[in-house]
Amino acid sequence: GESVGLHLPTLSVQEGDNSIINCAYSNSASDYFIWYKQESGKGPQFIIDIRSNMDKRQGQRVTVLLNKTVKHLSLQIAATQPGDSAVYFCAESNGDTGKLIFGQGTTLQVKP
Amino acid sequence: DAGVIQSPRHEVTEMGQEVTLRCKPISGHNSLFWYRQTMMRGLELLIYFNNNVPIDDSGMPEDRFSAKMPNASFSTLKIQPSEPRDSAVYFCASAWGGAQETQYFGPGTRLLVL
Repeated sequence: GESVGLHLPTLSVQEGDNSIINCAYSNSASDYFIWYKQESGKGPQFIIDIRSNMDKRQGQRVTVLLNKTVKHLSLQIAATQPGDSAVYFCAESNGDTGKLIFGQGTTLQVKP
Repeated sequence: DAGVIQSPRHEVTEMGQEVTLRCKPISGHNSLFWYRQTMMRGLELLIYFNNNVPIDDSGMPEDRFSAKMPNASFSTLKIQPSEPRDSAVYFCASAWGGAQETQYFGPGTRLLVL
């Protein structure tokens, strides 16, 4: 069945370092991928998305990489800040159902 | 602009009671989604509306759950009767376009069923 998983449940980084959060997906038909950030007590907040016709997309301090060959998605955060501490979710969907399927999440801890 | 608005933010009720959660999507958005988040199951889509019409309700757990969208600016998720296993955070999200457009989430309703 469809599933989205994350390699590391918790990632701890030093402030100022770069962070890389990884995600594996299993449905080769998925053609849309999103990263969300969720702070404690809040709803998920959109960070960046990418469609399957691209392999890289950049935003402000964030980059998403998509490797369709190995069905892998990653989120890179440059110069990680304390405000980046949160749980990060990847999600996938395909054009047939459109529904988003979320991974379990990775907790990012930023040490001052 | 106001984001997605949900009410109540917290709800504590007793098993067997009816619970109604409310959502006001972002003005102009035509897709609305209800999600449930638990530690065990993570974020799960319950139901998805497009132009006020339910498109996919395959995630609705059982007949005790029902959702309505009477107009473009309001939706409800009702649980009747509620059970302790329904305890979770329920999120509403909205988007312009379909499910593969950016979904903006509300702050959630934290439900505790005793």
